[in-house]
Amino acid sequence: AQSVAQPEDQVNVAEGNPLTVKCTYSVSGNPYLFWYVQYPNRGLQFLLKYITGDNLVKGSYGFEAEFNKSQTSFHLKKPSALVSDSALYFCAVRDMTGGSYIPTFGRGTSLIVHP
Amino acid sequence: DTGVSQDPRHKITKRGQNVTFRCDPISEHNRLYWYRQTLGQGPEFLTYFQNEAQLEKSRLLSDRFSAERPKGSFSTLEIQRTEQGDSAMYLCASSPGTTGATDTQYFGPGTRLTVL
Repeated sequence: AQSVAQPEDQVNVAEGNPLTVKCTYSVSGNPYLFWYVQYPNRGLQFLLKYITGDNLVKGSYGFEAEFNKSQTSFHLKKPSALVSDSALYFCAVRDMTGGSYIPTFGRGTSLIVHP
Repeated sequence: DTGVSQDPRHKITKRGQNVTFRCDPISEHNRLYWYRQTLGQGPEFLTYFQNEAQLEKSRLLSDRFSAERPKGSFSTLEIQRTEQGDSAMYLCASSPGTTGATDTQYFGPGTRLTVL
């Protein structure tokens, strides 16, 4: 079975400050991890993914995520937040050894960046 | 625009009516997925196609729901005898299907269904 948890419903940060959106996962095999962003009344936009290799993954719009196998985490980060980063962020996981192509999504974290 | 497109973007219907949504995937993407998203939740998987073959269906997909991808290109999702609990955002995604386990899904803008 695969699952993902986003422990924070909402994250507030001031513009220009670093931001972190947390994600932890559970899989039986090796994880394939994603972050997506959703703006109001829109579909999900792909930000970045981790498959293997370097634990720090860089993605779109200056976002990056750090894979930590021992803590089963894949936190999303950005060094300097923008007001336009305010949106809903979803972490997703798929077990690469499970044979299914279907990811499991977290419930989402609302990021609010204050001017 | 070469992204995933969905039509209509919004649908309001009365309980008991049938509705049909369309999804056009990214050109040459072999895999197509349907998800449902309700307020405060992440997308929940409904069904998935590899070309024209429907390969997986979620237990969420009751017998009132049916999906097709007749020529391996666009797909339709039909809900018969709609219920108020069907109100949600219906998301379509597609992926190349040629990169094995590392396949990445790209989502359309969604169709928001409101059942009165």
